Amino acid sequence: DAGITQSPRHKVTETGTPVTLRCHQTENHRYMYWYRQDPGHGLRLIHYSYGVKDTDKGEVSDGYSVSRSKTEDFLLTLESATSSQTSVYFCAILGEEDTQYFGPGTRLTVL
Amino acid sequence: GQNIDQPTEMTATEGAIVQINCTYQTSGFNGLFWYQQHAGEAPTFLSYNVLDGLEEKGRFSSFLSRSKGYSYLLLKELQMKDSASYLCAVRRSDSWGKLQFGAGTQVVVTP
Repeated sequence: DAGITQSPRHKVTETGTPVTLRCHQTENHRYMYWYRQDPGHGLRLIHYSYGVKDTDKGEVSDGYSVSRSKTEDFLLTLESATSSQTSVYFCAILGEEDTQYFGPGTRLTVL
Repeated sequence: GQNIDQPTEMTATEGAIVQINCTYQTSGFNGLFWYQQHAGEAPTFLSYNVLDGLEEKGRFSSFLSRSKGYSYLLLKELQMKDSASYLCAVRRSDSWGKLQFGAGTQVVVTP
């Protein structure tokens, strides 16, 4: 257990609405990541952070933004949700021995 | 970029051995990870190889050949609880700890 929580755990929303997912960690890890997981695609990196206010894009960043105003929180925002963003979203931290550890995930459905 | 290939599904009998292969093509290789993911849950770390050879952890072993771009995860004495998806992931040396994941191999253990 790397002390990672995600909220909400489940969310149903409508197309065009903004959505923010939260990742919270309690162990002061510097690096944090947001992934989405879809059948047949595995885990794909959306954005990552290498420190407070330091973020960069991953391979599937279109339609997503992130913010990290304090070490413990990494927020993922869908500015205007689309049905293609229906997915399971995982947050991860870089922990011991440079290994990534994952939060429990958020299941998002966009109708 | 990186191509990471692993079989989609494998079936094996309880008590048997299963070998999950993973091939990759990348520049600046800096480690290969294996994760286990049960349905509806987060991925959990299993093993990490950065040098050639075999790493053993109880019933699970992982092998790496950097020259061949090849790894395998060996699961011995299969148990029903080993039914899960197994994810292969590659890290590059310039990557801020980022991982590139394969699509995962679903292992089904039958009685």
